[in-house]
Amino acid sequence: GAGVSQTPSNKVTEKGKYVELRCDPISGHTALYWYRQSLGQGPEFLIYFQGTGAADDSGLPNDRFFAVRPEGSVSTLKIQRTERGDSAVYLCASSSGTGASPLHFGNGTRLTVT
Amino acid sequence: AQTVTQSQPEMSVQEAETVTLSCTYDTSENNYYLFWYKQPPSRQMILVIRQEAYKQQNATENRFSVNFQKAAKSFSLKISDSQLGDTAMYFCAFLPPPEGQNFVFGPGTRLSVLP
Repeated sequence: GAGVSQTPSNKVTEKGKYVELRCDPISGHTALYWYRQSLGQGPEFLIYFQGTGAADDSGLPNDRFFAVRPEGSVSTLKIQRTERGDSAVYLCASSSGTGASPLHFGNGTRLTVT
Repeated sequence: AQTVTQSQPEMSVQEAETVTLSCTYDTSENNYYLFWYKQPPSRQMILVIRQEAYKQQNATENRFSVNFQKAAKSFSLKISDSQLGDTAMYFCAFLPPPEGQNFVFGPGTRLSVLP
């Protein structure tokens, strides 16, 4: 595709519910990243995929957060038993994964947990 | 662990003037990459400029240039002839070697260009 696509753009859910956030990277990009951005702060790393496997998931805050990328393209970030503190903008980015390839970001999903 | 610091939470500049945003980082690595990203109100992060640490020459991209001081671990962004469309959050980012590491972002500087 032309760019990184994230859906939905906004999601409001009740505390305790389960949510899925989708990211469709640029075609051919092997590397995919999830970041979380709270209001007025910089992006905070969550997880990085190289192909289908999670190369680094050290940023996931706890076991309620999980992400998959089964075919090495689209990725889904899954949050179980959501808490109000999970409210943030979730950014997805992709890159070609070689050298100093810059990140190409989507517009993010704003998650609000009420 | 690498850290990135941006000591200016907010800055403003008059249209057509020049402004410099500061960034410092902490690392024990010798080869790495540095980036400046812009995030306008639309929320999408846009690459402004990047620098390879092994290159002594400062990167430039049209009105944007950097002052990379490796020994001081400083990577400032200079915007010349500021335009209203430059109003945004600016994030400094660090990419350590080897390939495939995660980017570390600073807390950002909110830049307002005033007419």
